[in-house]
Amino acid sequence: AQSVTQLGSHVSVSEGALVLLRCNYSSSVPPYLFWYVQYPNQGLQLLLKYTSAATLVKGINGFEAEFKKSETSFHLTKPSAHMSDAAEYFCAVSAGDMRFGAGTRLTVKP
Amino acid sequence: SAVISQKPSRDICQRGTSLTIQCQVDSQVTMMFWYRQQPGQSLTLIATANQGSEATYESGFVIDKFPISRPNLTFSTLTVSNMSPEDSSIYLCSVRTTASTGELFFGEGSRLTVL
Repeated sequence: AQSVTQLGSHVSVSEGALVLLRCNYSSSVPPYLFWYVQYPNQGLQLLLKYTSAATLVKGINGFEAEFKKSETSFHLTKPSAHMSDAAEYFCAVSAGDMRFGAGTRLTVKP
Repeated sequence: SAVISQKPSRDICQRGTSLTIQCQVDSQVTMMFWYRQQPGQSLTLIATANQGSEATYESGFVIDKFPISRPNLTFSTLTVSNMSPEDSSIYLCSVRTTASTGELFFGEGSRLTVL
C-alpha cells in the first residue's frame, strides 16, 4: 500500500520569497511521485513527476522537487513566489492507482 | 497528454434524484478513473472504469450508489444515485494514456450541489 503525507495544510509566503511545500511518502514498492496544482474551480494540472530517473525533477512554472529515498520525502520548491502561484497543491504517489495527500493551500502576499 | 471533457461542469440537484456525469477523452487511453473531492478536501478514488466490464470500486464505494460505465476506450459515465446533501462534491474524471509514465490527466471536474 502507498500513501503520502503533506505537512502543513496552509503555507503563506511573500511575493519573491522561497516556496517550500513538504511531502513524505510511504510505499512498499519503488514509487512514482507527483505534484499537482489546482486553481479555483479547475481540475488538477501536473506540475512535475519522479519516475526513478534523476532525483531532482524540474517542472512547469519554475517549480522543482527532490526525491530523497533516505528521508522518504519529495518536497516541492520554487525560488521566488509569484502571485499567480496561489493555489492548492497536491502530492501524489502511484504504484498502480494514484493516492493523493490532503493538499496544501499556498497563499502569496504582495 | 490528453484532453478530457466532462459534462455537466456543475449542477444543482434535488435530494433523492440521480445524475449522470459524462467523461470524453480525445484519444484512446489505457485507464480511466473517477475521483471525488469533497469541499475543502483532497481527492478520493471512487473506482477504476474498466472497458467492457464492471468497474473496480474502492472501499466505501458501491455500484448501486455510483454505477459506472465505460463502453469504449474514450468514454465513461459516472452516475450518482439517490443523492443526498452529503454527495455535494466535485467529481473528477482522470485518465492514464499509453505514453504516460504513471501520471494521470484530469478533466475540469463536475461540481454537484445537492439540496
